[in-house]
Amino acid sequence: GESVGLHLPTLSVQEGDNSIINCAYSNSASDYFIWYKQESGKGPQFIIDIRSNMDKRQGQRVTVLLNKTVKHLSLQIAATQPGDSAVYFCAENIPGQFYFGTGTSLTVIP
Amino acid sequence: DAGVIQSPRHEVTEMGQEVTLRCKPISGHNSLFWYRQTMMRGLELLIYFNNNVPIDDSGMPEDRFSAKMPNASFSTLKIQPSEPRDSAVYFCASSLSGANVLTFGAGSRLTVL
Repeated sequence: GESVGLHLPTLSVQEGDNSIINCAYSNSASDYFIWYKQESGKGPQFIIDIRSNMDKRQGQRVTVLLNKTVKHLSLQIAATQPGDSAVYFCAENIPGQFYFGTGTSLTVIP
Repeated sequence: DAGVIQSPRHEVTEMGQEVTLRCKPISGHNSLFWYRQTMMRGLELLIYFNNNVPIDDSGMPEDRFSAKMPNASFSTLKIQPSEPRDSAVYFCASSLSGANVLTFGAGSRLTVL
C-alpha cells in the first residue's frame, strides 16, 4: 500500500517579510525549549532557546515567545532572507530528554 | 571544536547485514543522544546516555538495535540484522548535561535494500 509521510506544515513568505512559526508542546513539566533549523542534508542547528521562567527572548533577527498557559511556542524571524529557507523544529526538554515536534517547512520567495 | 562527528555519512547495505554507526561527541559534553529521522515519523529519540551510562532506551525500536558508549568520546549504534524499514537518517547529538543545547552531528544516511 501507499506509505503516508508526515504532513509538514508549510509557510511561504516573501523575502524581507517577517515569518512566524508556531509550535504546540505537550508536557506542562517541560522547562526548557529550543528552536532548531534544519537545512536539506544537514543536522538540526540551534537557533534560540528559552527557559520556562521567561516568556520572550530575542536574538539576532529571531524572537521566541513562550505561552505556558496554552503550551504554545512561536519563532519570529524578522526580514526573512532566502537563506532562512529550511525546516524549523521546536524541541521541549522534559528533564533529561528532548522531544521534537514534526517541524514546519519555511520557503522564502525572492 | 570540530563539533559532533558521525561516520559513515552514507551507507547502503543489504537486508540482513550488520550496520554500525559511530559518533564522537563534543569534548567535555557528558550527555549523548541517538535520534532517527524519517519522513514517516520525524525525529525520534532512540536512546540517550549520561556520563557513558544508558539512561533511557525506550525509543529503541527492537532488539535488533543496540547502542554502546564505552568511553566519553565514542558511541556506536548497531543494527543487526538490518531491514529495509531501518532506512533513515540517524543523528547523534551531545550536550553538557541533559538540559542544555543539543549539538547535532551531520547524520548518517542509511539505506537498507
